Amino acid sequence: RKEVEQDPGPFNVPEGATVAFNCTYSNSASQSFFWYRQDCRKEPKLLMSVYSSGNEDGRFTAQLNRASQYISLLIRDSKLSDSATYLCVVKGTGFQKLVFGTGTRLLVSP
Amino acid sequence: SAVISQKPSRDICQRGTSLTIQCQVDSQVTMMFWYRQQPGQSLTLIATANQGSEATYESGFVIDKFPISRPNLTFSTLTVSNMSPEDSSIYLCSVRGSGGIYEQYFGPGTRLTVT
Repeated sequence: RKEVEQDPGPFNVPEGATVAFNCTYSNSASQSFFWYRQDCRKEPKLLMSVYSSGNEDGRFTAQLNRASQYISLLIRDSKLSDSATYLCVVKGTGFQKLVFGTGTRLLVSP
Repeated sequence: SAVISQKPSRDICQRGTSLTIQCQVDSQVTMMFWYRQQPGQSLTLIATANQGSEATYESGFVIDKFPISRPNLTFSTLTVSNMSPEDSSIYLCSVRGSGGIYEQYFGPGTRLTVT
């Protein structure tokens, strides 16, 4: 089983839609969780950290469910510029190593 | 977040040769990492670059193939040695500062094609 699993998509949504991605992780001892965004042919950029209490940044909301070992990302009022690949990242086993999921591709259309 | 630059941004190399990639950060950082992202894949950690000592390599990566230097807290190099077409990939430098909870930032990457 992969340490971090994501649905690769693509998720095709119209502008203004709400879309949610889930990510599951296998290591119950994981402590830190993140969502990164990666545009085509660009480096990953940190979108937000995911806290135990959940957190919101504008149109983006991240949630952590430790009991079920998954994290989620909700995007409201989707914009064309939200089209990208969203990477789920978990601090895995070993000393300070981050583990990246394979990413979920989002395509927002007019 | 730190500003990270990498050189070269891209290169096309012949098999059997070596390429050294440079990573420069505009501030001192605690940790520096080198990742590889092959086409259509996610990121794979190659090694952690340790200042003043040998890098810590992940399973499947060895020092002879990917020698790494980190002479100070703002600079590191990764060399891809004796290249083959399978080494064609994007190589990314990543840094983590002294604060934060393991938040990491990435350089723009070096796109390597081996012919």
